[in-house]
Amino acid sequence: DTEVTQTPKHLVMGMTNKKSLKCEQHMGHRAMYWYKQKAKKPPELMFVYSYEKLSINESVPSRFSPECPNSSLLNLHLHALQPEDSALYLCASSQEGAVTYEQYFGPGTRLTVT
Amino acid sequence: KQEVTQIPAALSVPEGENLVLNCSFTDSAIYNLQWFRQDPGKGLTSLLLIQSSQREQTSGRLNASLDKSSGRSTLYIAASQPGDSATYLCAVSEAGNNRKLIWGLGTSLAVNP
Repeated sequence: DTEVTQTPKHLVMGMTNKKSLKCEQHMGHRAMYWYKQKAKKPPELMFVYSYEKLSINESVPSRFSPECPNSSLLNLHLHALQPEDSALYLCASSQEGAVTYEQYFGPGTRLTVT
Repeated sequence: KQEVTQIPAALSVPEGENLVLNCSFTDSAIYNLQWFRQDPGKGLTSLLLIQSSQREQTSGRLNASLDKSSGRSTLYIAASQPGDSATYLCAVSEAGNNRKLIWGLGTSLAVNP
């Protein structure tokens, strides 16, 4: 099973709302990633977790708060977002200690901030 | 600083043609190179991964080559089909920082029936 799942598929939220994005994988991968992708651009790395610990934060604003409750699950908590945060949010995972570190992506959550 | 360039930015071909997508990178100290496919509004599908010690990888009608010394990779698609229409992205990871991918801007491919 090489599947990464993400919920919800679509999310519309106001600038004062709090919401969360969820990502799950059952491939036994111990690295998980959040990316943000704007239209016609490549993905931008936001966060990387390795063995449930945050290992990379690409200077992301604090209104985005990641959480990795266990090795299969990754959340992204959203609070007080701005309209420019509207984008496709992608989750990915890879095996730690592997030769290739090949990343597998989920289908994404389309976020619209109004 | 590593930079990845993909040429052409867009390509339109008739069904059945063989085609080549190009990816170049400025620093040859890469860990691996991945080719991805993305359909509009969807997630990314990993097509092929080439490790820095490899020269090529094949999967079905796809063949990816890597020439690390010249900083180039090509993705060859044989007998193209309308279902191949998508954006193809190339990304490299660097030795010593192999979790972070550096991306090209992609090639948007349209295969016309």
